[in-house]
Amino acid sequence: NAGVTQTPKFRVLKTGQSMTLLCAQDMNHEYMYWYRQDPGMGLRLIHYSVGEGTTAKGEVPDGYNVSRLKKQNFLLGLESAAPSQTSVYFCASSYSLTGQGTEAFFGQGTRLTVV
Amino acid sequence: SQKIEQNSEALNIQEGKTATLTCNYTNYSPAYLQWYRQDPGRGPVFLLLIRENEKEKRKERLKVTFDTTLKQSLFHITASQPADSATYLCALYSFRDDKIIFGKGTRLHILP
Repeated sequence: NAGVTQTPKFRVLKTGQSMTLLCAQDMNHEYMYWYRQDPGMGLRLIHYSVGEGTTAKGEVPDGYNVSRLKKQNFLLGLESAAPSQTSVYFCASSYSLTGQGTEAFFGQGTRLTVV
Repeated sequence: SQKIEQNSEALNIQEGKTATLTCNYTNYSPAYLQWYRQDPGRGPVFLLLIRENEKEKRKERLKVTFDTTLKQSLFHITASQPADSATYLCALYSFRDDKIIFGKGTRLHILP
């Protein structure tokens, strides 16, 4: 029972490089989210998706792009990494936002350092 | 502006006592509020949800209250144990914003 799986777990990028973080869930959840967590800032929502083929901006979307081509996968892209994007990134999924099944299941996180 | 506030300072509680954590919010009308636990190096894990029309929810040693007049939720751990030491996050959902927003979390230390 894998739940939410993020790859990679760690990554070091040089300023200006690009990369994609992959999130996969096996719970048939409609909703998926990308958060970043920084010391003293808590979890901040970057982008989210309410279903396959849909994406929406969260609190801090600048510098990131996302895609949800398949229901089980949610990709987070950094086109030109900046040191300010050094953070721990968490992917999460939930069955719904209202009604039953609103609890979010989180991945183990990706620690990204941009030098 | 909209805010979710949790105690930024760590909370130290003696083992066996009740730990109480606070989550205050402003300029939100949450449909529900959730509490999560996060251990170092791990993702948050869901604990409890309480809806706007509920005053109190319990799960084993955990209790959550929700006061929409005070705009506050309290999270209690009774008979606390060192294994309860972690960071606890509150999160709320409002229909207007249609997303879940997290507080910064409170670090709890249960002292043996």
